[in-house]
Amino acid sequence: AQSVTQLGSHVSVSEGALVLLRCNYSSSVPPYLFWYVQYPNQGLQLLLKYTTGATLVKGINGFEAEFKKSETSFHLTKPSAHMSDAAEYFCAVSGSDMRFGAGTRLTVKP
Amino acid sequence: DGGITQSPKYLFRKEGQNVTLSCEQNLNHDAMYWYRQDPGQGLRLIYYSQIVNDFQKGDIAEGYSVSREKKESFPLTVTSAQKNPTAFYLCASADREGANYGYTFGSGTRLTVV
Repeated sequence: AQSVTQLGSHVSVSEGALVLLRCNYSSSVPPYLFWYVQYPNQGLQLLLKYTTGATLVKGINGFEAEFKKSETSFHLTKPSAHMSDAAEYFCAVSGSDMRFGAGTRLTVKP
Repeated sequence: DGGITQSPKYLFRKEGQNVTLSCEQNLNHDAMYWYRQDPGQGLRLIYYSQIVNDFQKGDIAEGYSVSREKKESFPLTVTSAQKNPTAFYLCASADREGANYGYTFGSGTRLTVV
């Protein structure tokens, strides 16, 4: 069975600071990994994905994530937070269906 | 524009009533999914369908039912057997390569029991 664990249900950063949202996965086969973002009362929007190939993947809105097999991690980063980044972020792993983490709520302080 | 549409956006249900949430997609996707979202619990899979006239139970199917009579449509019925139906419900779709490309989500339906 595949699963993901997001470390930290809430993360708070100042505007302009580094954003780091942590995700660890468990998978018996090479995983397909995803990060989604959700704004209040909306659906999920795909930020980026890792399938095969380059382990550093770039997504929308300046986010990127690095697949580290040795650490079973897929952490999401952004060098400089913007107020508009405040949202909930979900890490997911795909097998026969998509399995989501519990989510991390990002707050950006002015 | 192609996309996935959920309706209504807000829905109120009285105790003992069945209600049906609509999900329609024009992406020509084969697979469709229903998730339930509760605060702090992420998304939990209710039902999914990978082809017309076939669907599978997810992790929390009790108290819910679905149908897949058309490729474009995957309605979810919340029955009176679902004891705690208040939640945010998300529908998603994917093509056969969904594992590679990810899912497309609707904007959700918030169901409240009154």
